[in-house]
Amino acid sequence: NAGVTQTPKFRILKIGQSMTLQCTQDMNHNYMYWYRQDPGMGLKLIYYSVGAGITDKGEVPNGYNVSRSTTEDFPLRLELAAPSQTSVYFCASSYSTRGTEQFFGPGTRLTVL
Amino acid sequence: AQSVSQHNHHVILSEAASLELGCNYSYGGTVNLFWYVQYPGQHLQLLLKYFSGDPLVKGIKGFEAEFIKSKFSFNLRKPSVQWSDTAEYFCAVNARTGTASKLTFGTGTRLQVTL
Repeated sequence: NAGVTQTPKFRILKIGQSMTLQCTQDMNHNYMYWYRQDPGMGLKLIYYSVGAGITDKGEVPNGYNVSRSTTEDFPLRLELAAPSQTSVYFCASSYSTRGTEQFFGPGTRLTVL
Repeated sequence: AQSVSQHNHHVILSEAASLELGCNYSYGGTVNLFWYVQYPGQHLQLLLKYFSGDPLVKGIKGFEAEFIKSKFSFNLRKPSVQWSDTAEYFCAVNARTGTASKLTFGTGTRLQVTL
């Protein structure tokens, strides 16, 4: 199993550009999550999904959108990139809702200039 | 809402020294507790977790943590650190309510082990 994979690994955007961060898991997990990690701030939840077709906002959803058309994929969309979105983005998945381990992808380092 | 505090932001230890990283959480109900580790340039990996039972849990690479319910704490320990333990360590809590396993992370502790 590849686990959780993310593409791209690095990206530089100009202000106002848009992009999609890809996330795929092959563990047949129902639950998937997007986090952003900023220095000294830990991880903040952006969006999560409890299954195909079902998504919900996390702690810091502004400026992002998600969709979940399949169990495997959970892309994160930035419509109008802003410098405040410079961060490292991690996708994660878990088997169930009740406190089971989340498995993390390798991350995407995004810089918005 | 649940929250997690990690009071040590940056810890520097010599190899073979003992380690204890503090983690306190605020939530009145039943919780699941985790420690994740992030080695330089890598993604987060689970070190250990507590769901129920013995409050002293053992994880990978010689790490252990003790859940003290009365103190709302879940401190991470290792008797003798190695240079390869240099990493960032995150405590996380998941409250056993709601419809999704939403982890709340602490801000992390950067551990630097010197030779």
